[in-house]
Amino acid sequence: LAKTTQPISMDSYEGQEVNITCSHNNIATNDYITWYQQFPSQGPRFIIQGYKTKVTNEVASLFIPADRKSSTLSLPRVSLSDTAVYYCLVVQYSGAGSYQLTFGKGTKLSVIP
Amino acid sequence: DTGVSQNPRHKITKRGQNVTFRCDPISEHNRLYWYRQTLGQGPEFLTYFQNEAQLEKSRLLSDRFSAERPKGSFSTLEIQRTEQGDSAMYLCASSPRERNTEAFFGQGTRLTVV
Repeated sequence: LAKTTQPISMDSYEGQEVNITCSHNNIATNDYITWYQQFPSQGPRFIIQGYKTKVTNEVASLFIPADRKSSTLSLPRVSLSDTAVYYCLVVQYSGAGSYQLTFGKGTKLSVIP
Repeated sequence: DTGVSQNPRHKITKRGQNVTFRCDPISEHNRLYWYRQTLGQGPEFLTYFQNEAQLEKSRLLSDRFSAERPKGSFSTLEIQRTEQGDSAMYLCASSPRERNTEAFFGQGTRLTVV
């Protein structure tokens, strides 16, 4: 099982760019890197996924170096509504076209006015 | 809204009672997952269905827990003889065949055992 390590918490002021780094040293060749966001009393919500290099969507960017042993989620110009827990997952191939999603403890991001 | 639907949203039960939760996944999603989440922790995997077949079960799923997905559409999770340690948020997620690395979660059922 690929274990992930990310900071327990982070604080940021509104309007700043936030970078959350996750390490996953034993990631396997078929595994993907995925980030989810979770607000209190709600289920996690998919943010972004990548395999290598850089991926960008309307919400965030994901940077993955060549060795894939870490990844960085970048949130541009955060607002108060971005206060949430962010989970880094290594989505592991478990055979027969199936993937397993294993959550860690996540990073609690607090955006300050 | 065509997202994953879970019912009930909240359930309070006395210790020793049985409870059943229902999950309606997004239409045509063939994969369905159950997770459990306690305060301050990330979701923990419980079990997974591909269509009606239960393909994987976590060791967390004791013999008091049973899940079904009889027609490959909605799923139920039953907990028998509930214990206070079962108090948690129970999350259901589904994913489509063509994008099975991405899971769509419901809002969860919060269980409190008193």
